[in-house]
Amino acid sequence: AQTVTQSQPEMSVQEAETVTLSCTYDTSESDYYLFWYKQPPSRQMILVIRQEAYKQQNATENRFSVNFQKAAKSFSLKISDSQLGDAAMYFCAYRSSIYNQGGKLIFGQGTELSVKP
Amino acid sequence: EPEVTQTPSHQVTQMGQEVILRCVPISNHLYFYWYRQILGQKVEFLVSFYNNEISEKSEIFDDQFSVERPDGSNFTLKIRSTKLEDSAMYFCASSGAGSSTDTQYFGPGTRLTVL
Repeated sequence: AQTVTQSQPEMSVQEAETVTLSCTYDTSESDYYLFWYKQPPSRQMILVIRQEAYKQQNATENRFSVNFQKAAKSFSLKISDSQLGDAAMYFCAYRSSIYNQGGKLIFGQGTELSVKP
Repeated sequence: EPEVTQTPSHQVTQMGQEVILRCVPISNHLYFYWYRQILGQKVEFLVSFYNNEISEKSEIFDDQFSVERPDGSNFTLKIRSTKLEDSAMYFCASSGAGSSTDTQYFGPGTRLTVL
């Protein structure tokens, strides 16, 4: 079974600085999808970024980018120019692509990010 | 921008009572999901639903749980006889068809409190 591990329960960053959140996963599959979701205090789950495993190019979305290391099974999230609104719980998630369509997300434990003004 | 909606935002119930949590997925989406998050813990998959039937369910999704798509827009999760340990945030999610099935969009959640 696939597992997702986020080893940093909490992280802190100064406003305007850069922070990297770590995520590792375990799978025997070669094709899959990886996601980062943000959960602010409202507890809504907001998609931040996604990565297809078959793509070597790291995904970017404005100030958010990932470092996808397939061989190492690592998927870290980099937040540049951190803003106060980035403060939230961040979840890494895995989705198998063996399902032609649909398929459950497997989440990590989350990393609580605080942003200091 | 289309979004997933959920009602109610907060439900308080007595142990042993039945509850129905409601979701309206994004209108052109075909795949629907329920997840649960106990306070302070990670998000856990409950069930996925496609073409009017369950595609996959987790060990959590036992006989006390059921899902239904009663009409063309709503997707419901029913818990027949609630237990204290059912207290959690319940999230509905949906995904589209074709190349967009891989990304799930979540609703704001329903906080269920069982007393």
